[in-house]
Amino acid sequence: DSGVTQTPKHLITATGQRVTLRCSPRSGDLSVYWYQQSLDQGLQFLIQYYNGEERAKGNILERFSAQQFPDLHSELNLSSLELGDSALYFCASSRVLRDEQYFGPGTRLTVT
Amino acid sequence: AQSVTQPDIHITVSEGASLELRCNYSYGATPYLFWYVQSPGQGLQLLLKYFSGDTLVQGIKGFEAEFKRSQSSFNLRKPSVHWSDAAEYFCAVGALNAGNMLTFGGGTRLMVKP
Repeated sequence: DSGVTQTPKHLITATGQRVTLRCSPRSGDLSVYWYQQSLDQGLQFLIQYYNGEERAKGNILERFSAQQFPDLHSELNLSSLELGDSALYFCASSRVLRDEQYFGPGTRLTVT
Repeated sequence: AQSVTQPDIHITVSEGASLELRCNYSYGATPYLFWYVQSPGQGLQLLLKYFSGDTLVQGIKGFEAEFKRSQSSFNLRKPSVHWSDAAEYFCAVGALNAGNMLTFGGGTRLMVKP
């Protein structure tokens, strides 16, 4: 158990819908990262927050957004969902920027 | 931009045999390098990391990796594989100039024969 929690574990929804994925970092970790894992794209970095502020952005679609709250938990919002958004979404956290990242168990999103 | 290549998509070894998983990276500065393991349906578990210093790093579960700057490689090794090591292994490089976002290789799926 890495100490990073993600909810829900599974999510099944229809095309065009909007979902919110939640992540709680390890106690004391200030930085949160979101990654997407799919069969065709592999593991890809989406976005990072550090102490409430966006720090880095990767291959994140405009339909996706995220935020980190004052209690340091983070939410990833996916809207206008398409079949191709079906994937495993991982959250990771680290204590500071130059530190190893610990991954949560992931949320498996299925868009039908 | 940084990149990571894991040349072997699948590897099968016999239980008790030695293991080496290859990883080559491309990064413009001194890299932060990591190996993660993912069992089916699970998240990624950190096996080991290289930040600086000794180029041979020890990790959990008896794994080690060696950083070779001249070859841009960070290969993972284990002297004797156990059946429980069957999983997918990912090498990653951290981009310090971009918040330490990780760029992952495509992964190597390890199968262990009894």
